[in-house]
Amino acid sequence: QKEVEQNSGPLSVPEGAIASLNCTYSDRGSQSFFWYRQYSGKSPELIMSIYSNGDKEDGRFTAQLNKASQYVSLLIRDSQPSDSATYLCAVRGGGSQGNLIFGKGTKLSVKP
Amino acid sequence: GAVVSQHPSRVICKSGTSVKIECRSLDFQATTMFWYRQFPKKSLMLMATSNEGSKATYEQGVEKDKFLINHASLTLSTLTVTSAHPEDSSFYICSARRQGFAQPQHFGDGTRLSIL
Repeated sequence: QKEVEQNSGPLSVPEGAIASLNCTYSDRGSQSFFWYRQYSGKSPELIMSIYSNGDKEDGRFTAQLNKASQYVSLLIRDSQPSDSATYLCAVRGGGSQGNLIFGKGTKLSVKP
Repeated sequence: GAVVSQHPSRVICKSGTSVKIECRSLDFQATTMFWYRQFPKKSLMLMATSNEGSKATYEQGVEKDKFLINHASLTLSTLTVTSAHPEDSSFYICSARRQGFAQPQHFGDGTRLSIL
């Protein structure tokens, strides 16, 4: 069974610090990886997508992918209280539909 | 952009009622749409995947006669919860994806369904 694992947290960081969110996946053939942010009571919002090994930066967010280690991470620099949310790691599964397999999410709390 | 509109945002109705939820991609053509449900403090659970013009593919354990999905156009999919019961109360979220395997899914704002 294909799985995506995340530490459920909560991860608590002070305002201005770097938040590091980690995710591992079991399907070595996975090719597409996404990070979503979900505020309480709201639907997920796409933050980053990454497809090749290395780092991808977008503003305060950096996604890192290491396919050999089956590991993807999200770094949030200069964390703000508004970044407090649950962050979902999603991996494109195999099969004809290309469904996303979601981790259970890591709850991030940024303290002022 | 990639905007997905979901309507209604909240429904409260009596047991036995059928409820229809609409999911529209406003600024792109969605060849594939997905329906999820999420219970409080739980992870997303995929219910079904629908491709435009085709029958939906339901996940194991999801009753296709209970949750009717129609994806008649490239911008609209509907989920109908038939004869809803209190245990169907949940947060239902749709997402839409452009053609292309690597494309991300974009989510609607969700529908909070409460069955009395």
